[in-house]
Amino acid sequence: GAVVSQHPSWVICKSGTSVKIECRSLDFQATTMFWYRQFPKQSLMLMATSNEGSKATYEQGVEKDKFLINHASLTLSTLTVTSAHPEDSSFYICSASQGADTQYFGPGTRLTVL
Amino acid sequence: DQQVKQNSPSLSVQEGRISILNCDYTNSMFDYFLWYKKYPAEGPTFLISISSIKDKNEDGRFTVFLNKSAKHLSLHIVPSQPGDSAVYFCAASAVADRGSTLGRLYFGRGTQLTVWP
Repeated sequence: GAVVSQHPSWVICKSGTSVKIECRSLDFQATTMFWYRQFPKQSLMLMATSNEGSKATYEQGVEKDKFLINHASLTLSTLTVTSAHPEDSSFYICSASQGADTQYFGPGTRLTVL
Repeated sequence: DQQVKQNSPSLSVQEGRISILNCDYTNSMFDYFLWYKKYPAEGPTFLISISSIKDKNEDGRFTVFLNKSAKHLSLHIVPSQPGDSAVYFCAASAVADRGSTLGRLYFGRGTQLTVWP
């Protein structure tokens, strides 16, 4: 149980375009979903916390207009990287929890912006 | 400000022996601790957790020990297997975060475990 999927697993896009990443909890209802970013050889950096039906809570330093998060249902959250630039290239990972303390992570999405 | 610290970036252990991964934290409000295992280009996989009301939790080959007075926890893997080679992240959450960000996790930087035959 507790399976979280992400789509796509990797994406390459041109600078200036927008990219949407989906995060789904497949076998449970996720009251809360989290979006992380990981740089090479570094820890996971929390970008934002999203609760179903409400606005996401962004961490300090994360531009909410650039990283749009939507949590439309208890099984789906999306992260849209708007007007992507090469510095946005990274590994984006989502996680989901049922309100308990354990977060279950998706497999991640590798974004490369040319 | 790193509230969860894994001071050893790497650990190398022979197959069959014990692997001990360490984690220290600074926030006394943390009351729930987790260990995740991560392979390159994959999301972390939950391994084991422990609540602050306990000092030990065991699941198969994995045991987590918590020393609240020292603000220290460790993950023991016995016996270690080559398939255990991965990056291990320690994470913590605080009851104070539950109401707003609902279970926000604070991660250490990870320890690369290599188990050699």
